Amino acid sequence: QSVLTQPPSVSAAPGQKVTISCSGSSSNIGSNYVSWYQQLPGTAPKLLIYENNKRPSGIPDRFSGSKSGTSATLGITGLQTGDEADYYCGTWDSSLSAVVFGGGTKLTVL
Amino acid sequence: QVQLQESGPGLVKPSETLSLTCTLSGGSTSNHFWSWIRQPPGKGLEWIGCIHNSGSTNYNPSLKSRVAIPVDRSKNQFSLKLSSVTAADTAVYYCARAFTRPQNFDYWGQGTLVTVSS
Repeated sequence: QSVLTQPPSVSAAPGQKVTISCSGSSSNIGSNYVSWYQQLPGTAPKLLIYENNKRPSGIPDRFSGSKSGTSATLGITGLQTGDEADYYCGTWDSSLSAVVFGGGTKLTVL
Repeated sequence: QVQLQESGPGLVKPSETLSLTCTLSGGSTSNHFWSWIRQPPGKGLEWIGCIHNSGSTNYNPSLKSRVAIPVDRSKNQFSLKLSSVTAADTAVYYCARAFTRPQNFDYWGQGTLVTVSS
């Protein structure tokens, strides 16, 4: 059972937009920054978003992040087949003094 | 370009200690958080713990009694020691660097599969 809650799967057609939610509590998302990771099959995760809405160099602006209260959202526009992957949210939990992750969301581009 | 590489045994017997090393190239161990993260086959990510260049450590409460993350700055390496392993510790183990905050993992190793079996 993950501390952060994500939907197990989402799907959308190429070119469309999709959002992935990440729900937590006041001790984690509610009081700390959220990061998002993309994990392509058989590879290590890759940082997509940090500090709620910032993109590292090289990450296209098709990827965006937002946070409101104890929930965060990853948005992906202009979906491509290459976006098919597992996506994870992560943050610091001040009560646990630990990094916590969501259970992951599998994105299918139909 | 920063690169991280995990090394260590791919098979560990139950009740023994899992030991992995992460070697950093293209950077130094200072000024960041150095973490271990694992992923059981077909499952999600689980943070194990981290060490900051100040020497302070944080561990996953569920693993804290069995984990240590020492650092050897002279070799640009940090390690994972996980004691009393069981089959539930079978996973791909990643080392990763985080910047500014422990949850901002910008560089990852390729991962190494460790199987716990007799």
